[in-house]
Amino acid sequence: DTGVSQDPRHKITKRGQNVTFRCDPISEHNRLYWYRQTLGQGPEFLTYFQNEAQLEKSRLLSDRFSAERPKGSFSTLEIQRTEQGDSAMYLCASSLVKGITDTQYFGPGTRLTVL
Amino acid sequence: QKEVEQNSGPLSVPEGAIASLNCTYSDRVSQSFFWYRQYSGKSPELIMSIYSNGDKEDGRFTAQLNKASQYVSLLIRDSQPSDSATYLCAVNWGTSYDKVIFGPGTSLSVIP
Repeated sequence: DTGVSQDPRHKITKRGQNVTFRCDPISEHNRLYWYRQTLGQGPEFLTYFQNEAQLEKSRLLSDRFSAERPKGSFSTLEIQRTEQGDSAMYLCASSLVKGITDTQYFGPGTRLTVL
Repeated sequence: QKEVEQNSGPLSVPEGAIASLNCTYSDRVSQSFFWYRQYSGKSPELIMSIYSNGDKEDGRFTAQLNKASQYVSLLIRDSQPSDSATYLCAVNWGTSYDKVIFGPGTSLSVIP
């Protein structure tokens, strides 16, 4: 257990529905990342926050995806109008950035299945 | 296009042998390098980080970095069946030490 928690661990939804995932990082960590991972692939970067500021959003991310990190603590990732291609593991990671170090610790992930 | 590349494998080694995992990256300004292990159905867990050229050892694991060749490797000595997993190489991208980019991973199987 790294100290990063994600909720829910599993989500099954029907195509067209909206889903929201939550990530609680390690408390003193200032950076939070969201990744998507499909079978046989490495984690694919979606977006990341430094404190409450969203610094970058992947160009691969459509307008159906949105993420927030109010008050620089927990973060939510929302997917609107889900599609079958959204089925994947959604990973959250947090880190404490010091100089060049950005060692990330991952949560257990949320597995999304879109029917 | 900034990329991190790894041999997809699977890499099979007998128990007790040395497993060698390789990673190349495309951006010369990259400063931080990480190896993660991921068991099937689980999230990645950090094995080692390395920032300077040369070797860094931690137990049975040794990370090797050569920035001139844009190459980082992970050696696992005395491989155990419990080492069977996918190993992900990750590189911190850009001069502002922005986001980390992961490679596709190499699947390792240690045969008893």
